[in-house]
Amino acid sequence: GAVVSQHPSRVICKSGTSVKIECRSLDFQATTMFWYRQFPKKSLMLMATSNEGSKATYEQGVEKDKFLINHASLTLSTLTVTSAHPEDSSFYICSARLGGGATEAFFGQGTRLTVV
Amino acid sequence: GENVEQHPSTLSVQEGDSAVIKCTYSDSASNYFPWYKQELGKGPQLIIDIRSNVGEKKDQRIAVTLNKTAKHFSLHITETQPEDSAVYFCAARWQTAGNKLTFGGGTRVLVKP
Repeated sequence: GAVVSQHPSRVICKSGTSVKIECRSLDFQATTMFWYRQFPKKSLMLMATSNEGSKATYEQGVEKDKFLINHASLTLSTLTVTSAHPEDSSFYICSARLGGGATEAFFGQGTRLTVV
Repeated sequence: GENVEQHPSTLSVQEGDSAVIKCTYSDSASNYFPWYKQELGKGPQLIIDIRSNVGEKKDQRIAVTLNKTAKHFSLHITETQPEDSAVYFCAARWQTAGNKLTFGGGTRVLVKP
């Protein structure tokens, strides 16, 4: 399957600072990428859909000013958690879908964010 | 919106036995149903998927069945091995909302040697 690389895999930051997470499709171009948040022992919760060259579409209840998404190229989307607080600590996962009407979505390895 | 229910939430099987996980979905327009395996601290890995024009698909020890009329689909793992221990998620592609995936709640599978 296609490879999606997410970086960093773990990050610890202080309250009030911002953290950027990168999601790259390594061997394919992804016009659409998705950002999920996963709480311990829970399912994946879609936060937003990232479209290359346009604004992201956020799910209801997700603060767009807090979780900034940029999809500047066909192989890179970034999620920036701004002014992080301990309640933002979570496992963040991106996925990318092959273009051309493909249905398969491939996931990155996830980023464990801990805000202290 | 789409709602995906997954059962059971935990499943313990003896090595060599079969494991079955069942999911139901609500949106009859959904047409793509992937299954993901997630190991601790890692992202989900696509293990098998099925489209609505197919009733069954098999890949070695893994098979998925789909009943469109009843709106449910199942994952079958035969001859389970300890390395099959993980959390498994089913999902349905929600066509009426931008082709987003809606996930089930997950099943924690433990294969006992």
